[in-house]
Amino acid sequence: DQQVKQNSPSLSVQEGRISILNCDYTNSMFDYFLWYKKYPAEGPTFLISISSIKDKNEDGRFTVFLNKSAKHLSLHIVPSQPGDSAVYFCAAQTTSGTYKYIFGTGTRLKVLA
Amino acid sequence: ETGVTQSPTHLIKTRGQQVTLRCSSQSGHNTVSWYQQALGQGPQFIFQYYREEENGRGNFPPRFSGLQFPNYSSELNVNALELDDSALYLCASSLAGGVYYEQYFGPGTRLTVT
Repeated sequence: DQQVKQNSPSLSVQEGRISILNCDYTNSMFDYFLWYKKYPAEGPTFLISISSIKDKNEDGRFTVFLNKSAKHLSLHIVPSQPGDSAVYFCAAQTTSGTYKYIFGTGTRLKVLA
Repeated sequence: ETGVTQSPTHLIKTRGQQVTLRCSSQSGHNTVSWYQQALGQGPQFIFQYYREEENGRGNFPPRFSGLQFPNYSSELNVNALELDDSALYLCASSLAGGVYYEQYFGPGTRLTVT
């Protein structure tokens, strides 16, 4: 049962344009959502997060949007840069009951120069 | 400030054997989590330790066990290794009660079971 899904395994975007990465979840008990970036041969690196009580969080070029009614979140990167090319994972956390931290399967972003 | 480190980097074991993987948390962090990442998949949560006690576990059998030490370093032990245990094992540390719950990952240990 994949509670966090990233349905696009890959995405290519031109440098300077917007990159939009999507994530869907099924468990309404998740209380925090995070995005991580992963380069080859490295562990994931935290990028940005959002609490379930908010619908938007912005940090520089990165903005995360949360639509609780649709159980959907998205990461916008504007403008996209070649250094953004990596695998992006969304993750969801629940502290209700037993603590769990669930990752999606990842989306590989390629920003073309 | 020292980041999260893991050892060894790579490991090859035979089916049925036991393995111990090690992790040193980032300085000041009191919580450690372990993940298994198979090829083409996202990290799968194995368990989390806080103050030397397990306080969360994913869908992994009891042959996956862990320890957290007073200095917040940690071990992941896997008994009776199976071929499907071949994966990248990631350790992540965090500060319990931190506002953003972000985790800081090590580079991982690549385990191959033959």
